[in-house]
Amino acid sequence: DGGITQSPKYLFRKEGQNVTLSCEQNLNHDAMYWYRQDPGQGLRLIYYSQIVNDFQKGDIAEGYSVSREKKESFPLTVTSAQKNPTAFYLCASSTTSGQYNEQFFGPGTRLTVL
Amino acid sequence: GQQVMQIPQYQHVQEGEDFTTYCNSSTTLSNIQWYKQRPGGHPVFLIQLVKSGEVKKQKRLTFQFGEAKKNSSLHITATQTTDVGTYFCAGPDTNAGKSTFGDGTTLTVKP
Repeated sequence: DGGITQSPKYLFRKEGQNVTLSCEQNLNHDAMYWYRQDPGQGLRLIYYSQIVNDFQKGDIAEGYSVSREKKESFPLTVTSAQKNPTAFYLCASSTTSGQYNEQFFGPGTRLTVL
Repeated sequence: GQQVMQIPQYQHVQEGEDFTTYCNSSTTLSNIQWYKQRPGGHPVFLIQLVKSGEVKKQKRLTFQFGEAKKNSSLHITATQTTDVGTYFCAGPDTNAGKSTFGDGTTLTVKP
């Protein structure tokens, strides 16, 4: 919704493999975010980026990596160092100027590590 | 760091009953946002409150921002089955350029 796409919707990987989740937005937003959501839990911030070529760690960055080479794209790599990677991953974007900076979320990717 | 707490974690109501979720921040907020996540879906923005004591209504939903700008509430009058989902509040951490989300209140409605 809102011009943010995440692919794939479902992803299965074997333990020990790195996997990259895609997030693309065409809203011309400067800021992008990655959240992790476990069943029945809230949203925990993994990484965020306010501008191209810059990003910051969120609350649970260990075992994850990101890049922001283009304004439209903010891919997330779940590395083999992430001890419990099975979760629902949500990407979001927002403007950084003005008073109203609501976040627009993508449909999410459900990652299952077998 | 900034903490945002929501209560209750779960609420089960009979269709037609009212529902309220409360959000409390450890710091004063410049604004507060509310989102709704339907089962199996993704969070969708509902509203943003900015002013101290502000009250906004969207049909059966009433949102309030506390006078001290540290707490907020969402009240649903006469719940319907379409109201089911998890409601999150979020407060900006403006110095860090991110928002902190509460853990959400999950509402179930029995028809």
